[in-house]
Amino acid sequence: DAKTTQPNSMESNEEEPVHLPCNHSTISGTDYIHWYRQLPSQGPEYVIHGLTSNVNNRMASLAIAEDRKSSTLILHRATLRDAAVYYCILTYYGQNFVFGPGTRLSVLP
Amino acid sequence: NAGVTQTPKFRVLKTGQSMTLLCAQDMNHEYMYWYRQDPGMGLRLIHYSVGEGTTAKGEVPDGYNVSRLKKQNFLLGLESAAPSQTSVYFCASSHRQGGTYEQYFGPGTRLTVT
Repeated sequence: DAKTTQPNSMESNEEEPVHLPCNHSTISGTDYIHWYRQLPSQGPEYVIHGLTSNVNNRMASLAIAEDRKSSTLILHRATLRDAAVYYCILTYYGQNFVFGPGTRLSVLP
Repeated sequence: NAGVTQTPKFRVLKTGQSMTLLCAQDMNHEYMYWYRQDPGMGLRLIHYSVGEGTTAKGEVPDGYNVSRLKKQNFLLGLESAAPSQTSVYFCASSHRQGGTYEQYFGPGTRLTVT
């Protein structure tokens, strides 16, 4: 499976936008980009996924670079509840996820 | 729907003891997974199943066995627990959505082996 690289941690102020980057320079044409997050003491939860085009849902937006070697998860207005570890995962058809250490997002009131 | 449930939530074992963790899902998903998460690390895949009666090894399968006798249940067994198996165990199930698969996770089982 292709590898991803994410910053270990990021900070944001409440109600401000957050851009969480992910590098995946060895991505293949069939790899989907998935984002999950893990709130404290909980199992991971799905955030968003994409293949080539930018995607929006009620939780976040996913911006995918034209060459697909990087992507950015965008939280439009961070809340305290968004404090979590965010995982960027590449997977062929969504199977056999490989979770790295992720980015720990802190949201300051 | 209850989603993905795990039993038990907490367990303490002595080295050499055995136990079974139960995962149940009520979403009729074909795929199910067992992961472990050690402190400060991401999840690692232990075993997975692509359907009733089938299982396959993941990244860290040694010391664990699994069974999927019913579509809704996925069991993880530890035959002889070791302190290195102290971890939080997560079960997940998945379904196909938009050309890929979205995974749903349970709340986790915190296992301590002394």
